[in-house]
Amino acid sequence: DTGVSQNPRHKITKRGQNVTFRCDPISEHNRLYWYRQTLGQGPEFLTYFQNEAQLEKSRLLSDRFSAERPKGSFSTLEIQRTEQGDSAMYLCASSLVPGRETQYFGPGTRLLVL
Amino acid sequence: GESVGLHLPTLSVQEGDNSIINCAYSNSASDYFIWYKQESGKGPQFIIDIRSNMDKRQGQRVTVLLNKTVKHLSLQIAATQPGDSAVYFCAEGRASGGSYIPTFGRGTSLIVHP
Repeated sequence: DTGVSQNPRHKITKRGQNVTFRCDPISEHNRLYWYRQTLGQGPEFLTYFQNEAQLEKSRLLSDRFSAERPKGSFSTLEIQRTEQGDSAMYLCASSLVPGRETQYFGPGTRLLVL
Repeated sequence: GESVGLHLPTLSVQEGDNSIINCAYSNSASDYFIWYKQESGKGPQFIIDIRSNMDKRQGQRVTVLLNKTVKHLSLQIAATQPGDSAVYFCAEGRASGGSYIPTFGRGTSLIVHP
């Protein structure tokens, strides 16, 4: 499978714990995006990288959230001191720029904070 | 019209009928629009896009219409099939770093009855 992959697919944690999610983009894609999606809503942009550089962060990305893409390939999203309001689907997408703007999404990681 | 809370607008059609999903957008300066399909448990999947210098674009079994005067977008699906059942999102593309970041609307649930 050469699409975007995300791990884990599901994560249950207790409030206050830290969690880390991984995204592996399509191999030749230089841009990688993180989104959050809550039930009944469309995905909301969190941040994106071009290669290793984090170019934009949404105001939704509080200081408890940090994302990295150290080698310009896979990326990690860490949430520290999780809160129940962090429960959501975390989606990753990748694209190739310049070129088509099409973003290809992974299956997401569903987080439940108890 | 839209419902409040977790309930998405829903369109129910019979297999073989044509479906029309509507979307209103807010930013009159938006110049790029995208339709996504999201099946249960999966990430959004790109369907078709359109730039503001066009008012119609066709793909395979899908057509997107753009009316900039009233800030309205529609997705037409011809000969709807059970596999088309999903949530459909329209998104406005926000320019960033030479590409676009989609700002998603709330979504419409399409149910296709065999």
